[in-house]
Amino acid sequence: DTAVSQTPKYLVTQMGNDKSIKCEQNLGHDTMYWYKQDSKKFLKIMFSYNNKELIINETVPNRFSPKSPDKAHLNLHINSLELGDSAVYFCASSPGLVYNEQFFGPGTRLTVL
Amino acid sequence: DQQVKQNSPSLSVQEGRISILNCDYTNSMFDYFLWYKKYPAEGPTFLISISSIKDKNEDGRFTVFLNKSAKHLSLHIVPSQPGDSAVYFCAAKGGAQKLVFGQGTRLTINP
Repeated sequence: DTAVSQTPKYLVTQMGNDKSIKCEQNLGHDTMYWYKQDSKKFLKIMFSYNNKELIINETVPNRFSPKSPDKAHLNLHINSLELGDSAVYFCASSPGLVYNEQFFGPGTRLTVL
Repeated sequence: DQQVKQNSPSLSVQEGRISILNCDYTNSMFDYFLWYKKYPAEGPTFLISISSIKDKNEDGRFTVFLNKSAKHLSLHIVPSQPGDSAVYFCAAKGGAQKLVFGQGTRLTINP
């Protein structure tokens, strides 16, 4: 009964590869997010979608492309992976944009070799 | 420019005593503040929050204090229990804007 789930939990890949991380929420929320936790442990927002519409797009390289096929899913595709992309990526959801509390998935640890 | 700062990377407290975690912010537009708790290999989970119209919010063993003039908030846990050992993130938000997180404080409760 996981509220926000992510797959895979761990991802190890070579530089230059393309990879995807999937996120699903069963809370019926309208808004979903992707966060990156870097080596300094800061959690920084990357993208936010509301009802499948892109709302927040921080200064993230074009190699990162989110895709929301429906309200319950928000996937993250990364092209031409670089060493600096190594991080933990968290998906989150909230009932709507004006709601303050966000519910997080367990995270995906991406290691680029 | 980090708008939310947790200046103590770690804190060690004896079981049964009070744990105080601190957080400072710079953006005066922030009007809502949250604390999240994170165990290893898990995502952050919401703990407690406070609106800028209040200066204190209490939920069981957890109390959050907000000092708007100092742009400072703190989380008090009393009494501290071993299960409280985790990383605690402070976060802030202004209106419908994005949630901005601090870098976390690792709390260790010693038996």
